[in-house]
This record gives sequence, structure tokens and C-alpha cells, in this order.
Amino acid sequence: QKEVEQNSGPLSVPEGAIASLNCTYSDRGSQSFFWYRQYSGKSPELIMSIYSNGDKEDGRFTAQLNKASQYVSLLIRDSQPSDSATYLCAVEPRSGGYNKLIFGAGTRLAVHP
Amino acid sequence: EAQVTQNPRYLITVTGKKLTVTCSQNMNHEYMSWYRQDPGLGLRQIYYSMNVEVTDKGDVPEGYKVSRKEKRNFPLILESPSPNQTSLYFCASGKQGAQETQYFGPGTRLLVL
Repeated sequence: QKEVEQNSGPLSVPEGAIASLNCTYSDRGSQSFFWYRQYSGKSPELIMSIYSNGDKEDGRFTAQLNKASQYVSLLIRDSQPSDSATYLCAVEPRSGGYNKLIFGAGTRLAVHP
Repeated sequence: EAQVTQNPRYLITVTGKKLTVTCSQNMNHEYMSWYRQDPGLGLRQIYYSMNVEVTDKGDVPEGYKVSRKEKRNFPLILESPSPNQTSLYFCASGKQGAQETQYFGPGTRLLVL
């Protein structure tokens, strides 16, 4: 079992819809959770971080964390074609403390007009 | 402008020819790291450094070396490159213990023939 798993996609949604991206992780003691966006040929950029159970909203983005189910998700409301990218889920394992992150392979999102 | 720079951005080389990929950051970050990104495998950490003269192995260190003689620079050295090191490489830096400050460089695409 991979430490951080994501559906590779592509996830195709129409413009204006809600895109839902999911991630599961294996280390139950994981501390912190992050979503990165990576455009084709570019470097990852951090878009959301979440540390406690529940929802965290930032503009059109909402991160959801359920530690009991070892599940973290990212919702993108009012999806735009500019949101088309690969979204990487990253988890700080319990043995962290030195900035270690475990990344999933990413989900490719395609928003079509 | 806060940034992480990498050079070269693209490199084609042959098996066994030593090469160095440079990484430099201007944010006075303590932490620096190298990742490789391969299709379906996500970002995997190669080496990291918590400060000058302090380096340690990540998840896939075989075939790589690093050094941290200055705070701003963290070069990645491939002493004898092999085709399985063909990949996209990212350098990252951040404040120690603060994952949300981690910045990625633009990436170096390496092809080893």
C-alpha cells in the first residue's frame, strides 16, 4: 500500500461545477496535510494546508480532513479552466519534525468550458 | 523577489558522466531538499538538509550526493549517472519546522542516455 494514495484521474468537470479531489494516507499518526497545485511543466505550489479535523475554507478552495478515516479532500467551487492542473496531496508523517513530506502521485483535473 | 533557482533547467548527458545540478535560495531558509518526480510515483525525497553542514538521506538517495557548505546553496551531484536517474528534479527550501513555507524551484529535467 502506498503511503499517500490519490486517484490519478483525469477528473473532468464542466466550468462552474465543484471539483472534488480525494486522498488517503496510511500513517495514522500523520500531523499535517497539504494540497499543492502543479501546472504542466511547472513546479508545485502550495494552495491549502490543514491540521485538524473538519473543514478549512480559502476562497474557492475547501480542504476537508478526517483523521479517523485517514482521508483528506480538496473541493474547488466554481471551477475554472485555469484550475486545470495536477493536484498533489502531501502528508507530514508522525516521524516528521524536519519538514518531511510524503506526496501522492497526484490527480489530474481538467475543467472544460 | 523570494525564489529558489536551479541550473541547468534541462540536461542531456550520457551514462557515467558526472554532473551537478545547482540549487540556490535567497530567503535565508534553514531547510533545503531535493526531490525527483516520475510519472505515477509522485515526488520522492532524495536528500535534505536542516542547515549548513547538516544533510541526511531521504527516501531514494542511491546514486546521489549533496553538500551544504553555504546556507543558500544545496547542489545535487550525480557521480555516475545511469538511465534510471532520468527524471524531473525539484529543489525546495523552507523554514525549519514550517511546512507551509516550503518553496519549490522551477525544476531540472534530466535525460541520461
